[in-house]
Amino acid sequence: AQSVAQPEDQVNVAEGNPLTVKCTYSVSGNPYLFWYVQYPNRGLQFLLKYITGDNLVKGSYGFEAEFNKSQTSFHLKKPSALVSDSALYFCAVRASSGSARQLTFGSGTQLTVLP
Amino acid sequence: GAGVSQSPRYKVAKRGQDVALRCDPISGHVSLFWYQQALGQGPEFLTYFQNEAQLDKSGLPSDRFFAERPEGSVSTLKIQRTQQEDSAVYLCASSPFQGQGGIYEQYFGPGTRLTVT
Repeated sequence: AQSVAQPEDQVNVAEGNPLTVKCTYSVSGNPYLFWYVQYPNRGLQFLLKYITGDNLVKGSYGFEAEFNKSQTSFHLKKPSALVSDSALYFCAVRASSGSARQLTFGSGTQLTVLP
Repeated sequence: GAGVSQSPRYKVAKRGQDVALRCDPISGHVSLFWYQQALGQGPEFLTYFQNEAQLDKSGLPSDRFFAERPEGSVSTLKIQRTQQEDSAVYLCASSPFQGQGGIYEQYFGPGTRLTVT
């Protein structure tokens, strides 16, 4: 079985400061990892993914994430936070082998960027 | 182009009623997924279609839940004899074929918020 843990329900950061949203995963074999963002009353929007290759992945809106196999982590980062980054962030995993195609999501982290 | 659309956006049902939720995926997307998102939680997988074939329905919580995609495009999630615990947001997602050509992200619709009273 695969699972995702987002240990922080809430992250607060001041505008202009760097932000990190943490994610660890558990999956058999190699993972495919994703970050999504959800704004109120809207569906999930894709930010970035790790499939293979370079451990540092760059995505939309200046976000990036670092895959760390030994720590089974995929933390989301941004060098300088904006108030408009305030939203609910979800990490998701899918096994690279096997027939399952669905994503398993974490419980989400509410990011608040303070002006 | 147009994204994934879902209708209705909001649905209130009395306990025991049947409901049908519609998903229009992105044109040409082979894969279609349904997820259930309870308040304050991440989405949880319900079922997966590749074209018209339902390849995985392991996440459907009971036999009251039924999904179909008869022509490999539009999909309908049906819930019979709704219960209060069915109250949630139902999300539909689509993606190109997940094969050796690449691993694609899923594109999500805005969801249908179902409230069972």
